[in-house]
Amino acid sequence: GQQLNQSPQSMFIQEGEDVSMNCTSSSIFNTWLWYKQEPGEGPVLLIALYKAGELTSNGRLTAQFGITRKDSFLNISASIPSDVGIYFCAGHIGGGSQGNLIFGKGTKLSVKP
Amino acid sequence: DGGITQSPKYLFRKEGQNVTLSCEQNLNHDAMYWYRQDPGQGLRLIYYSQIVNDFQKGDIAEGYSVSREKKESFPLTVTSAQKNPTAFYLCATGERRRPQHFGDGTRLSIL
Repeated sequence: GQQLNQSPQSMFIQEGEDVSMNCTSSSIFNTWLWYKQEPGEGPVLLIALYKAGELTSNGRLTAQFGITRKDSFLNISASIPSDVGIYFCAGHIGGGSQGNLIFGKGTKLSVKP
Repeated sequence: DGGITQSPKYLFRKEGQNVTLSCEQNLNHDAMYWYRQDPGQGLRLIYYSQIVNDFQKGDIAEGYSVSREKKESFPLTVTSAQKNPTAFYLCATGERRRPQHFGDGTRLSIL
């Protein structure tokens, strides 16, 4: 199956630092979604993006739908220990009819107090 | 509360045994999905159902079976034909082109 290229694979940062991660694809997407997963739990939706160029915030999180519709970015400002987890990007390919999501492999975030 | 309920949270399978994972939703979503997650990996689609009494294979359907007799329920059976069943299984629901919402998962291990 098709995969998104998500980077970085993992990040080790100090509390208070800002975080950036991104997903890219060779295909055009018509939605981009960002999820966070904590150990032993299911992914939780953080931000949903529906239009090229869209910039949406959820507290300290900001995500953007790339202008080319082939990428998306997630930024976390002033990280705190509870930001620890795996962040997944996902999206629907433009023109697809099934509504199935394509997922990145995740970015594992570790925050040092 | 509206949501997705997966059970059991932990499940152990003996060799040659079929086991069934439950997924129930009260979000009134038409579509339901089963994913498999291995350590350090993303989510891989096993089966999905867009409507009652209809379902389609995903990317890794071999060794699995599903049914969709009710809108609220989408059970997944891991058959003995699945030789490497140890994984975290996630059920999700959604509407076309809308975000999917996930249950809390079932962790399946081999005895």
